[in-house]
Amino acid sequence: DAGITQSPRHKVTETGTPVTLRCHQTENHRYMYWYRQDPGHGLRLIHYSYGVKDTDKGEVSDGYSVSRSKTEDFLLTLESATSSQTSVYFCATLGTSGFNGELFFGEGSRLTVL
Amino acid sequence: AQRVTQPEKLLSVFKGAPVELKCNYSYSGSPELFWYVQYSRQRLQLLLRHISRESIKGFTADLNKGETSFHLKKPFAQEEDSAMYYCACQETSGSRLTFGEGTQLTVNP
Repeated sequence: DAGITQSPRHKVTETGTPVTLRCHQTENHRYMYWYRQDPGHGLRLIHYSYGVKDTDKGEVSDGYSVSRSKTEDFLLTLESATSSQTSVYFCATLGTSGFNGELFFGEGSRLTVL
Repeated sequence: AQRVTQPEKLLSVFKGAPVELKCNYSYSGSPELFWYVQYSRQRLQLLLRHISRESIKGFTADLNKGETSFHLKKPFAQEEDSAMYYCACQETSGSRLTFGEGTQLTVNP
């Protein structure tokens, strides 16, 4: 499991409130990712990081921001949660530095925005 | 931008029957292709990758560059194969994987 843990695992919040999801890894992997999983859409990349303080946008980055101040932690923030952000969020790390690397996933964080 | 399409959202077969999960990709370069699987109450995990040319749990996948497809096949499905399957495409720069919509496979006894 590459020592990936996500917190919180479940959260219910109200529209307009800020939410931060945390991903912690113990494998010293360089690349980290945040995906959201939705029925009919599969897994969609939100943001990813290729090193400390180095991040880039994925395909569905609007409404989300990320930060990576340490190799082991990758935070996903919803500044003002909306109902459309109700989803299951997965963190992943890339097991090698480049091509053909295996992604290792966390257990997921289920977020409900009321 | 690369795109991965899995046309079947749901697939149901009987135990012992052959199964094929379809995957098509669009990418201008030479990407690497993967299949990931999520069993009930387990983490999403790598099933197999094209470059390894391996068979995992009886599954194989052939890359057809002409048809830009990477279909997953198993000659005799087992009940424990029931899971959500995702096809994924990695661009040659190595850092981003794009996933398909997923196919929920159910193998009935």
